[in-house]
Amino acid sequence: AQSVTQPDIHITVSEGASLELRCNYSYGATPYLFWYVQSPGQGLQLLLKYFSGDTLVQGIKGFEAEFKRSQSSFNLRKPSVHWSDAAEYFCAVGAGGTYKYIFGTGTRLKVLA
Amino acid sequence: EPEVTQTPSHQVTQMGQEVILRCVPISNHLYFYWYRQILGQKVEFLVSFYNNEISEKSEIFDDQFSVERPDGSNFTLKIRSTKLEDSAMYFCASRNREKNYGYTFGSGTRLTVV
Repeated sequence: AQSVTQPDIHITVSEGASLELRCNYSYGATPYLFWYVQSPGQGLQLLLKYFSGDTLVQGIKGFEAEFKRSQSSFNLRKPSVHWSDAAEYFCAVGAGGTYKYIFGTGTRLKVLA
Repeated sequence: EPEVTQTPSHQVTQMGQEVILRCVPISNHLYFYWYRQILGQKVEFLVSFYNNEISEKSEIFDDQFSVERPDGSNFTLKIRSTKLEDSAMYFCASRNREKNYGYTFGSGTRLTVV
């Protein structure tokens, strides 16, 4: 069955530190992979997506993610975190002919000043 | 940038009452979705809708739920007899014709059933 795992429920980093959020997926075919961010009380904003090609994808707000087929992973990274990055981050895989998403459980990021 | 608009942003309803959540998708989008997020849990797919019919629905989307596109602009989710466990954030999303997962999500309706 298709699934997405985000092993870290909470992560706390200091402002200016680097960040890596982990995501592992289970999907039979070549996956379409996404990272979304949800700020408190807000909707879901797409950070970046991977469909094919270059396995390192760049997104908005200085985020990037690397697709590693051998590890079934799609980890999100940012070299220097800003206080405004505090939010919840969801990894998702696109599944099926109707293009629905299967989301992970999310990682809540806290940024220390 | 075009937006998906959801109303109301927050709705409180009594258990057993019917509730309709409203969404205005982006005007040239053809594929529509509802997702929900119970507090503290992951976002879950409910239903997809295309060409005036449901194209896929999840196990969650039972007979208490229905969707409709009553006119050319609105996309609604109806819950006939709400239960406490229906309390969640409900997200509407729309996608354009191209099959590239070009979703745009609305900001959600928080439904509280008391």
